Amino acid sequence: AQTVTQSQPEMSVQEAETVTLSCTYDTSESDYYLFWYKQPPSRQMILVIRQEAYKQQNATENRFSVNFQKAVKSFSLKISDSQLGDAAMYFCAYGYNNNDMRFGAGTRLTVKP
Amino acid sequence: EPEVTQTPSHQVTQMGQEVILRCVPISNHLYFYWYRQILGQKVEFLVSFYNNEISEKSEIFDDQFSVERPDGSNFTLKIRSTKLEDSAMYFCASRDREDTEAFFGQGTRLTVV
Repeated sequence: AQTVTQSQPEMSVQEAETVTLSCTYDTSESDYYLFWYKQPPSRQMILVIRQEAYKQQNATENRFSVNFQKAVKSFSLKISDSQLGDAAMYFCAYGYNNNDMRFGAGTRLTVKP
Repeated sequence: EPEVTQTPSHQVTQMGQEVILRCVPISNHLYFYWYRQILGQKVEFLVSFYNNEISEKSEIFDDQFSVERPDGSNFTLKIRSTKLEDSAMYFCASRDREDTEAFFGQGTRLTVV
Protein backbone atom coordinates (compact mmCIF):
# COMPACT_ATOMS: atom_id res chain seq x y z
CA ALA A 1 0.00 0.00 0.00
CA GLN A 2 1.13 3.49 -0.71
CA THR A 3 1.84 5.66 2.30
CA VAL A 4 2.74 9.29 2.57
CA THR A 5 4.63 10.65 5.55
CA GLN A 6 4.96 14.23 6.63
CA SER A 7 7.27 14.29 9.62
CA GLN A 8 6.74 17.94 10.55
CA PRO A 9 3.37 18.52 12.24
CA GLU A 10 4.13 22.23 12.52
CA MET A 11 6.53 24.68 10.95
CA SER A 12 6.95 28.40 11.22
CA VAL A 13 8.71 30.94 9.04
CA GLN A 14 9.37 34.64 9.16
CA GLU A 15 7.63 36.67 6.50
CA ALA A 16 9.82 37.01 3.36
CA GLU A 17 11.98 34.06 4.42
CA THR A 18 12.15 30.58 2.88
CA VAL A 19 10.76 27.41 4.38
CA THR A 20 10.91 23.78 3.29
CA LEU A 21 8.23 21.22 4.12
CA SER A 22 9.22 17.57 4.02
CA CYS A 23 7.37 14.62 2.53
CA THR A 24 8.36 11.03 1.93
CA TYR A 25 6.30 8.28 0.39
CA ASP A 26 6.37 4.61 -0.21
CA THR A 27 5.40 2.94 -3.46
CA SER A 28 6.38 0.07 -5.70
CA GLU A 29 5.20 1.89 -8.80
CA SER A 30 7.52 3.76 -11.16
CA ASP A 31 5.01 6.06 -12.81
CA TYR A 32 2.95 8.17 -10.44
CA TYR A 33 2.13 11.71 -9.46
CA LEU A 34 2.87 13.81 -6.43
CA PHE A 35 1.01 16.87 -5.24
CA TRP A 36 1.12 19.53 -2.59
CA TYR A 37 -2.25 20.86 -1.47
CA LYS A 38 -2.85 23.88 0.71
CA GLN A 39 -5.76 23.99 3.14
CA PRO A 40 -6.37 27.49 4.53
CA PRO A 41 -8.78 28.14 7.41
CA SER A 42 -11.63 28.06 4.91
CA ARG A 43 -10.89 24.29 4.78
CA GLN A 44 -10.93 24.11 0.99
CA MET A 45 -8.19 22.01 -0.59
CA ILE A 46 -6.20 24.03 -3.11
CA LEU A 47 -3.58 22.55 -5.39
CA VAL A 48 -0.21 24.24 -4.96
CA ILE A 49 2.02 22.21 -7.24
CA ARG A 50 2.27 18.81 -8.91
CA GLN A 51 5.11 16.62 -10.10
CA GLU A 52 5.05 13.70 -12.51
CA ALA A 53 7.41 10.96 -11.41
CA TYR A 54 8.73 10.41 -14.93
CA LYS A 55 9.98 13.98 -15.10
CA GLN A 56 13.43 14.62 -13.71
CA GLN A 57 13.02 18.36 -13.61
CA ASN A 58 11.64 19.73 -10.38
CA ALA A 59 8.31 21.50 -10.72
CA THR A 60 8.15 25.22 -10.02
CA GLU A 61 5.14 27.47 -9.61
CA ASN A 62 6.08 31.06 -8.83
CA ARG A 63 7.33 31.10 -5.21
CA PHE A 64 6.70 27.38 -4.79
CA SER A 65 9.12 24.72 -5.90
CA VAL A 66 9.75 21.09 -5.11
CA ASN A 67 12.80 18.97 -4.55
CA PHE A 68 11.83 15.61 -6.00
CA GLN A 69 14.25 12.78 -5.26
CA LYS A 70 12.74 9.69 -6.78
CA ALA A 71 15.47 7.30 -5.66
CA VAL A 72 14.83 8.05 -2.00
CA LYS A 73 11.12 8.76 -2.46
CA SER A 74 11.28 12.29 -1.16
CA PHE A 75 9.16 15.22 -2.29
CA SER A 76 9.75 18.43 -0.34
CA LEU A 77 8.07 21.78 -0.91
CA LYS A 78 10.03 25.02 -0.76
CA ILE A 79 8.18 28.26 -0.26
CA SER A 80 10.29 31.32 -1.04
CA ASP A 81 9.57 34.87 0.07
CA SER A 82 6.88 33.62 2.45
CA GLN A 83 3.75 35.71 2.74
CA LEU A 84 1.15 35.92 5.49
CA GLY A 85 -1.35 34.34 3.11
CA ASP A 86 0.79 31.23 2.91
CA ALA A 87 -0.23 30.29 6.44
CA ALA A 88 -2.25 27.08 6.15
CA MET A 89 -2.13 23.32 6.47
CA TYR A 90 -0.08 21.77 3.70
CA PHE A 91 -0.75 18.23 2.57
CA CYS A 92 1.52 16.11 0.44
CA ALA A 93 -0.34 13.60 -1.73
CA TYR A 94 0.49 10.63 -3.93
CA GLY A 95 -1.59 9.56 -6.89
CA TYR A 96 -1.38 6.59 -9.24
CA ASN A 97 -3.55 6.22 -12.32
CA ASN A 98 -7.22 6.56 -11.52
CA ASN A 99 -6.84 5.33 -8.01
CA ASP A 100 -7.32 7.50 -5.02
CA MET A 101 -4.80 10.04 -3.88
CA ARG A 102 -3.21 9.25 -0.55
CA PHE A 103 -2.50 12.15 1.73
CA GLY A 104 0.06 12.74 4.42
CA ALA A 105 -0.97 13.89 7.86
CA GLY A 106 -0.26 17.52 7.02
CA THR A 107 2.08 20.27 8.19
CA ARG A 108 0.67 23.40 9.78
CA LEU A 109 2.64 26.39 8.54
CA THR A 110 2.66 29.60 10.53
CA VAL A 111 4.01 32.78 8.98
CA LYS A 112 5.29 35.38 11.44
CA PRO A 113 5.11 39.03 10.45
CA GLU B 1 -13.39 28.74 -13.71
CA PRO B 2 -15.15 25.39 -13.31
CA GLU B 3 -15.37 24.15 -9.77
CA VAL B 4 -16.65 21.27 -7.71
CA THR B 5 -19.62 22.30 -5.60
CA GLN B 6 -20.89 20.58 -2.49
CA THR B 7 -24.14 20.97 -0.60
CA PRO B 8 -24.93 21.57 2.14
CA SER B 9 -21.94 23.38 3.60
CA HIS B 10 -22.94 22.24 7.07
CA GLN B 11 -25.26 19.42 8.11
CA VAL B 12 -26.30 18.60 11.63
CA THR B 13 -28.00 15.28 12.18
CA GLN B 14 -29.04 13.11 15.07
CA MET B 15 -27.23 9.88 15.72
CA GLY B 16 -28.88 7.03 13.88
CA GLN B 17 -30.27 9.18 11.09
CA GLU B 18 -29.35 8.90 7.44
CA VAL B 19 -27.66 11.76 5.60
CA ILE B 20 -26.96 12.40 1.96
CA LEU B 21 -24.09 14.64 1.02
CA ARG B 22 -24.25 16.06 -2.47
CA CYS B 23 -21.57 16.99 -4.93
CA VAL B 24 -21.59 18.36 -8.45
CA PRO B 25 -18.24 17.52 -10.03
CA ILE B 26 -16.74 19.50 -12.88
CA SER B 27 -18.78 18.62 -15.94
CA ASN B 28 -16.20 16.91 -18.17
CA HIS B 29 -14.55 14.99 -15.33
CA LEU B 30 -14.69 11.22 -15.25
CA TYR B 31 -13.22 10.23 -11.89
CA PHE B 32 -14.91 11.07 -8.63
CA TYR B 33 -13.84 10.74 -5.03
CA TRP B 34 -15.00 11.20 -1.49
CA TYR B 35 -12.59 12.00 1.31
CA ARG B 36 -13.18 12.85 4.93
CA GLN B 37 -11.20 14.85 7.42
CA ILE B 38 -11.90 14.58 11.11
CA LEU B 39 -11.18 17.95 12.66
CA GLY B 40 -7.46 18.61 12.87
CA GLN B 41 -6.52 15.26 11.40
CA LYS B 42 -5.40 13.93 8.06
CA VAL B 43 -7.46 13.70 4.92
CA GLU B 44 -8.67 10.11 4.54
CA PHE B 45 -9.72 8.43 1.34
CA LEU B 46 -13.18 6.90 1.35
CA VAL B 47 -14.05 5.86 -2.19
CA SER B 48 -13.33 6.42 -5.86
CA PHE B 49 -15.90 6.10 -8.63
CA TYR B 50 -15.45 5.70 -12.36
CA ASN B 51 -17.68 4.59 -15.19
CA ASN B 52 -20.68 4.37 -12.88
CA GLU B 53 -19.13 2.04 -10.41
CA ILE B 54 -16.86 2.04 -7.41
CA SER B 55 -13.25 1.55 -8.50
CA GLU B 56 -11.69 1.50 -5.07
CA LYS B 57 -12.78 1.93 -1.47
CA SER B 58 -10.99 2.15 1.84
CA GLU B 59 -11.57 0.13 4.97
CA ILE B 60 -13.53 3.10 6.33
CA PHE B 61 -16.09 2.73 3.56
CA ASP B 62 -18.14 -0.09 5.04
CA ASP B 63 -21.78 -1.05 4.56
CA GLN B 64 -22.83 2.14 6.31
CA PHE B 65 -21.71 4.13 3.27
CA SER B 66 -22.87 4.18 -0.33
CA VAL B 67 -22.29 6.38 -3.35
CA GLU B 68 -24.39 7.10 -6.35
CA ARG B 69 -24.32 9.17 -9.49
CA PRO B 70 -28.06 9.32 -10.04
CA ASP B 71 -28.40 11.71 -12.95
CA GLY B 72 -25.07 12.20 -14.67
CA SER B 73 -24.25 15.40 -12.82
CA ASN B 74 -24.65 14.78 -9.10
CA PHE B 75 -22.41 12.49 -7.08
CA THR B 76 -23.81 11.63 -3.67
CA LEU B 77 -22.49 10.03 -0.51
CA LYS B 78 -25.09 8.41 1.70
CA ILE B 79 -24.31 7.58 5.30
CA ARG B 80 -26.84 5.31 6.95
CA SER B 81 -27.42 5.24 10.69
CA THR B 82 -24.88 7.94 11.48
CA LYS B 83 -22.61 7.63 14.49
CA LEU B 84 -20.93 10.33 16.56
CA GLU B 85 -17.59 9.40 15.06
CA ASP B 86 -18.89 10.18 11.57
CA SER B 87 -18.63 13.87 12.47
CA ALA B 88 -16.07 15.25 10.04
CA MET B 89 -15.52 17.38 7.01
CA TYR B 90 -16.41 15.46 3.85
CA PHE B 91 -14.73 16.47 0.63
CA CYS B 92 -15.77 15.56 -2.87
CA ALA B 93 -13.17 15.67 -5.64
CA SER B 94 -13.07 15.03 -9.35
CA ARG B 95 -10.49 14.74 -12.09
CA ASP B 96 -10.73 14.50 -15.85
CA ARG B 97 -7.90 12.06 -16.55
CA GLU B 98 -5.80 9.62 -14.67
CA ASP B 99 -2.76 11.87 -14.83
CA THR B 100 -4.23 15.12 -13.58
CA GLU B 101 -4.75 16.51 -10.14
CA ALA B 102 -8.04 16.26 -8.34
CA PHE B 103 -10.13 19.36 -7.84
CA PHE B 104 -11.82 19.54 -4.48
CA GLY B 105 -15.11 20.99 -3.39
CA GLN B 106 -15.32 23.29 -0.40
CA GLY B 107 -16.47 20.43 1.81
CA THR B 108 -19.52 19.59 3.88
CA ARG B 109 -19.13 19.74 7.63
CA LEU B 110 -21.17 16.91 9.13
CA THR B 111 -21.98 17.11 12.81
CA VAL B 112 -23.65 14.12 14.40
CA VAL B 113 -25.28 14.85 17.76
